Amino acid sequence: EAGVTQFPSHSVIEKGQTVTLRCDPISGHDNLYWYRRVMGKEIKFLLHFVKESKQDESGMPNNRFLAERTGGTYSTLKVQPAELEDSGVYFCASSLGDSRVLQYFGPGTRLTVL
Amino acid sequence: DAKTTQPTSMDCAEGRAANLPCNHSTISGNEYVYWYRQIHSQGPQYIIHGLKNNETNEMASLIITEDRKSSTLILPHATLRDTAVYYCIVRDRTTSGTYKYIFGTGTRLKVLA
Repeated sequence: EAGVTQFPSHSVIEKGQTVTLRCDPISGHDNLYWYRRVMGKEIKFLLHFVKESKQDESGMPNNRFLAERTGGTYSTLKVQPAELEDSGVYFCASSLGDSRVLQYFGPGTRLTVL
Repeated sequence: DAKTTQPTSMDCAEGRAANLPCNHSTISGNEYVYWYRQIHSQGPQYIIHGLKNNETNEMASLIITEDRKSSTLILPHATLRDTAVYYCIVRDRTTSGTYKYIFGTGTRLKVLA
């Protein structure tokens, strides 16, 4: 069974540009989460989907970030326009349910904003 | 947010047991403690989790104190491939009633040959 996949693995863009990160969860997992680690900080929760519905986006840093999960399968996270402080590693995780169920993480996308 | 505290780094000799401590004094009574590890350039990988009883699986053992304020992850015979950052994680309920992982800073374990 394929795990959580993320694309691209690395992205280098200039300040002010737009970048879209993609996450494909484990097949059949309704729950999808985005986390990120910025330089020197802990991994932090960004938001949570159940199928195509956003359940909680309290961790989204500002309105330059937009997450979508149309059709309830893969998800995208768009940063527009990117700023220097957005540099970091963005992780996606998925789980079959929510209560007590483990989250499985993808390899992450390393974003560098120059 | 519930928080965890871990030492920043530890070394362990290959073949010896690695004991990684974690403080989670604010954990709520019915919440689990989860341990994941992150090997360079990979995502966090699940190791083990527990509520209040000690747990063991093929990867590790988890010892949780009776008051549940701390736990220790034990890798019984560390190998070079166990070199990684180990995260002790608790969950927190989100505003919508679902759950999110709360990561600490993690412990960077280096297994020495």
